[in-house]
Amino acid sequence: GEDVEQSLFLSVREGDSSVINCTYTDSSSTYLYWYKQEPGAGLQLLTYIFSNMDMKQDQRLTVLLNKKDKHLSLRIADTQTGDSAIYFCAESMDSGGYQKVTFGTGTKLQVIP
Amino acid sequence: NAGVTQTPKFQVLKTGQSMTLQCAQDMNHEYMSWYRQDPGMGLRLIHYSVGAGITDQGEVPNGYNVSRSTTEDFPLRLLSAAPSQTSVYFCASSYSSRGAEAFFGQGTRLTVV
Repeated sequence: GEDVEQSLFLSVREGDSSVINCTYTDSSSTYLYWYKQEPGAGLQLLTYIFSNMDMKQDQRLTVLLNKKDKHLSLRIADTQTGDSAIYFCAESMDSGGYQKVTFGTGTKLQVIP
Repeated sequence: NAGVTQTPKFQVLKTGQSMTLQCAQDMNHEYMSWYRQDPGMGLRLIHYSVGAGITDQGEVPNGYNVSRSTTEDFPLRLLSAAPSQTSVYFCASSYSSRGAEAFFGQGTRLTVV
């Protein structure tokens, strides 16, 4: 079955880079996603990468995908206190015409001023 | 543009009571989903719908019913609440079959005592 794993907690100093890691088990994933959840709010899509890509950059965010190792990472450059949130990795795969999505457990990022 | 609206935001139920969590979206999205979020378990799919009149079960459907009579609304019914259903519930909608490109509601925090 599908399984998406993340470490539960990451603490970084303001201005440093943050790297949040994720591993997944299903090699038939079509898209992989990073979501951000701020306290008391729903999830907000940050970025996504198609499974045949290795890297995607979007302003301060860099997504790296290693399909061989089934490893996905999210790098946040120049981390700010506003980046403090829970970050969820998710994978989607075709399930009878609908993309079934499996979420990781989330990584809580704490940014220290 | 309200996006995805969930009501209520908070609810306390007694074991055995029934209730309906409301979800409405104004983006004309075909795809809508309900998730529950529990500590250390990420988001788990309860039910989803690929269009008005079409629903299907997700990963954890037991104890929940859904219907989709209109594109806009996707209510989630708890038939007989149990303490195991204490959770935060999120409704999401998306414009494509790539389910994770979703817009999430703010969530409903449900406690069953």
